Amino acid sequence: AIQMTQSPSSLSASVGDRVTITCRASQGINNDLGWYQQKPGKAPKLLIYGTSSLQSGVPSRFSGSGSGTEFTLTISSLQPEDFATYYCLQDRIYPRTFGQGTKVEIK
Amino acid sequence: AQLVESGGGLVQPGGSLRLSCVASGFTFSSYWMTWVRQAPGKGLEWVANIKQDGSERYYADSVKGRFTISRDNAKNSLYLQMNTLRAEDTAVYYCARDQDIVVAPTVGYDAFDIWGQGTMVTVSS
Repeated sequence: AIQMTQSPSSLSASVGDRVTITCRASQGINNDLGWYQQKPGKAPKLLIYGTSSLQSGVPSRFSGSGSGTEFTLTISSLQPEDFATYYCLQDRIYPRTFGQGTKVEIK
Repeated sequence: AQLVESGGGLVQPGGSLRLSCVASGFTFSSYWMTWVRQAPGKGLEWVANIKQDGSERYYADSVKGRFTISRDNAKNSLYLQMNTLRAEDTAVYYCARDQDIVVAPTVGYDAFDIWGQGTMVTVSS
């Protein structure tokens, strides 16, 4: 199975900060990567699919980039509602695999 | 559009449980469907998915041979039959709709855009 490794595992940031989360795949996955946001006690929410396509209704401060084995999720200006855990998911091959998550906390 | 899971509960190791997920507000038969789980305090784990007509099914290595995903399009329902349960299967189980976005003849992306609220499965003696 493809291993997905996110970094950092957690970070502290302030409102207005630019935040970048990295996801590395153990083998090339082209652009077959999505990003999900999860708040405590809630189901995950789709942010981005296909590396960089923004899901309808998701604020434009979220963006994704990358290709092959290295991908990034960027939040251009962190807002109070963005404090959550973020997961990448590869959908290149089965079984699908998530990264271990990155928790974004308030500084 | 909504998904509602049910069927979770407490079961002994080695036991069985069947989860259900009922869809409403969209054409269920038009979408791949997926199960994802989350152990307490842990990250997300993809479990299984199934094609619109049930002709293709895929599983995580951790559940292959023990879990079976199925669907009944006439009842707008998705199921997960879980057998030979282990303590490590303890988790919240979510069902999710996969938009399966096709951008080219051989290029498509999973996009789990609608999720249920989750149902808790606890495997313990």
